[in-house]
Amino acid sequence: AQKITQTQPGMFVQEKEAVTLDCTYDTSDPSYGLFWYKQPSSGEMIFLIYQGSYDQQNATEGRYSLNFQKARKSANLVISASQLGDSAMYFCAMRGAGSSNTGKLIFGQGTTLQVKP
Amino acid sequence: KAGVTQTPRYLIKTRGQQVTLSCSPISGHRSVSWYQQTPGQGLQFLFEYFSETQRNKGNFPGRFSGRQFSNSRSEMNVSTLELGDSALYLCASSPGQTENIQYFGAGTRLSVL
Repeated sequence: AQKITQTQPGMFVQEKEAVTLDCTYDTSDPSYGLFWYKQPSSGEMIFLIYQGSYDQQNATEGRYSLNFQKARKSANLVISASQLGDSAMYFCAMRGAGSSNTGKLIFGQGTTLQVKP
Repeated sequence: KAGVTQTPRYLIKTRGQQVTLSCSPISGHRSVSWYQQTPGQGLQFLFEYFSETQRNKGNFPGRFSGRQFSNSRSEMNVSTLELGDSALYLCASSPGQTENIQYFGAGTRLSVL
């Protein structure tokens, strides 16, 4: 069975500092994808960053980077230079291979991030 | 390019009623996935449609159903509403290949009284 675990229910970070949100996953599929989404209080899920299981390099998108450690099955999100607008819930998600996983993302329980001025 | 549009944004129903939610995907996207988000269960996959066909289904009772039209717009229906169906319902669209990124709408918040 596939599973995503986010062990930090809530995190605080000072504005302009970097923060790491933890994510570990479990799958037996050799091919999979890992995603991070941001959900502000408005409810919309905003795509941040994607890492494929065969990607050799860690993904980066602006202030977001994904620290992918395949052997440890971890895919931590690093946000550099935090801004007040980064305060939101963050979800790690996984997409597996095969027809049983078509169109389906498995989500973790989320981490609430609060950025302090 | 317009994003994923979900209507209505908010809905209040009573137990036993049925409800239909709508999702218009990003132009050119042929896959629409639906998710239910509750404080207790988190985000759970309902089903996915591609080219008017259901390709995958989550572990939800038959009261939850959906369909997709030829223009890729999708609707989700919940019949005989229960209090536990109160949730944020999110839809996501993608071009349709397994490796594609899913882009979400703002969701429909359903309250069942």
